[in-house]
Amino acid sequence: DQQVKQNSPSLSVQEGRISILNCDYTNSMFDYFLWYKKYPAEGPTFLISISSIKDKNEDGRFTVFLNKSAKHLSLHIVPSQPGDSAVYFCAASAKPGNTGKLIFGQGTTLQVKP
Amino acid sequence: EPEVTQTPSHQVTQMGQEVILRCVPISNHLYFYWYRQILGQKVEFLVSFYNNEISEKSEIFDDQFSVERPDGSNFTLKIRSTKLEDSAMYFCASGTDGSYEQYFGPGTRLTVT
Repeated sequence: DQQVKQNSPSLSVQEGRISILNCDYTNSMFDYFLWYKKYPAEGPTFLISISSIKDKNEDGRFTVFLNKSAKHLSLHIVPSQPGDSAVYFCAASAKPGNTGKLIFGQGTTLQVKP
Repeated sequence: EPEVTQTPSHQVTQMGQEVILRCVPISNHLYFYWYRQILGQKVEFLVSFYNNEISEKSEIFDDQFSVERPDGSNFTLKIRSTKLEDSAMYFCASGTDGSYEQYFGPGTRLTVT
């Protein structure tokens, strides 16, 4: 099941610079997308989301961009901080509200170097 | 801040034994889920539960699995006869009506020997 793909297993950036994490999807029925952050030995923590009717959503240092025609979304973190070092998962939902499952990508491990 | 809790944090069991994983969802949430993550793989959906019944389940969720909300606070996942391939992190999640966000617990690491 490759409906949600994160093709970069890892990303390393310098503190203060921008981190860009990418996600591609294949199912055009997805109408809501979420980013989760996960530290070792913890559960995924909700970070930011975007509806398919929007192309951008911003929350502090985090911005998610959605390109529906390309079936691509990205998470921008500016400025990156060492505490942002974690695994980032993209997830998608095809059903309204909380009635449906989330389908996750494989995750991208972000390392922010001081 | 309210959070989802799970017990135990680590469960070791022998193949063929029954295990029950426990979760306490966020108190005003109405939707409950179980996911699992086998080491090195994706987080995979197992089952969703709403209004005291299963609303959706994956092909992984076969007859060996069951879920229950025995009281107003707990949500459990039972595996009747564990297999080696059931070894994974199991995450419980919950969500509110009208929202897409699901909030995850810290997980239970299940090791089947």
